[in-house]
Amino acid sequence: DTGVSQDPRHKITKRGQNVTFRCDPISEHNRLYWYRQTLGQGPEFLTYFQNEAQLEKSRLLSDRFSAERPKGSFSTLEIQRTEQGDSAMYLCASSSAGNTIYFGEGSWLTVV
Amino acid sequence: AQTVTQSQPEMSVQEAETVTLSCTYDTSESDYYLFWYKQPPSRQMILVIRQEAYKQQNATENRFSVNFQKAAKSFSLKISDSQLGDAAMYFCAFGHQAAGNKLTFGGGTRVLVKP
Repeated sequence: DTGVSQDPRHKITKRGQNVTFRCDPISEHNRLYWYRQTLGQGPEFLTYFQNEAQLEKSRLLSDRFSAERPKGSFSTLEIQRTEQGDSAMYLCASSSAGNTIYFGEGSWLTVV
Repeated sequence: AQTVTQSQPEMSVQEAETVTLSCTYDTSESDYYLFWYKQPPSRQMILVIRQEAYKQQNATENRFSVNFQKAAKSFSLKISDSQLGDAAMYFCAFGHQAAGNKLTFGGGTRVLVKP
C-alpha cells in the first residue's frame, strides 16, 4: 500500500481544452474525495464518493466539472473547456470508516 | 454550514522552542472530528493530529498536542521542541459523519522555523 496516488502530477493545458485527472485511493478505503486548492488557501471540497456512488456533487464549481468512480476503485475528475481560473492544485483523498482522511500529492493544473 | 478560522497567517518560532497555532470553528453539530494537517512545500497534506469531539482528553502525538475547548469552539495546536522540518503550512479542519466526513478547512498558518 503506497497511499493515495494521483496522475498526472502536473498538467499545462491551453484554455478551452479538456483535462482529466486520475486518483487511486488507498486500497481498502471506500470513500474518495476531491478538493481544489489555490495558492495561499486551504483546500476547498468539490465532491465525494462512497464506493461507486457520488453522494455529493453540489460543490463542483460548474457544469464543466465532473467526476466518476465507475467501479468503486479509482476515480477521475474531468474539467471541460478549461479556463484560466481553473488553474489550481486538485487534491484527491480517501478514507475508510475510521474517519481519518488521507491525501494524495495532488495534481497541479496550469491553464495558459 | 461549518466554518473554520485560522487567525494567524504566519508564525515564526526559534528552533527547539514552542509555538501555538490557533483555530476556531463554528458548527451546530455535536459529534464531529477536528484535525490538523501539515503541508510542506512538496504540497502533500499530511495528518498531524486528530481529535474526536466527544473526547474530553486532549490528543497528543509526540511533539504535537492540542488544546480542545468544545464550549469555546477552539482547537489550538502546540508544537514543542520545534524542528526545521516543522516548517510548513498548517491547516485546521473540521469533519462530521453526517456529511460523509468531508473536511472543511481553515485558511492555514505558515510556520517558519529559525535555526
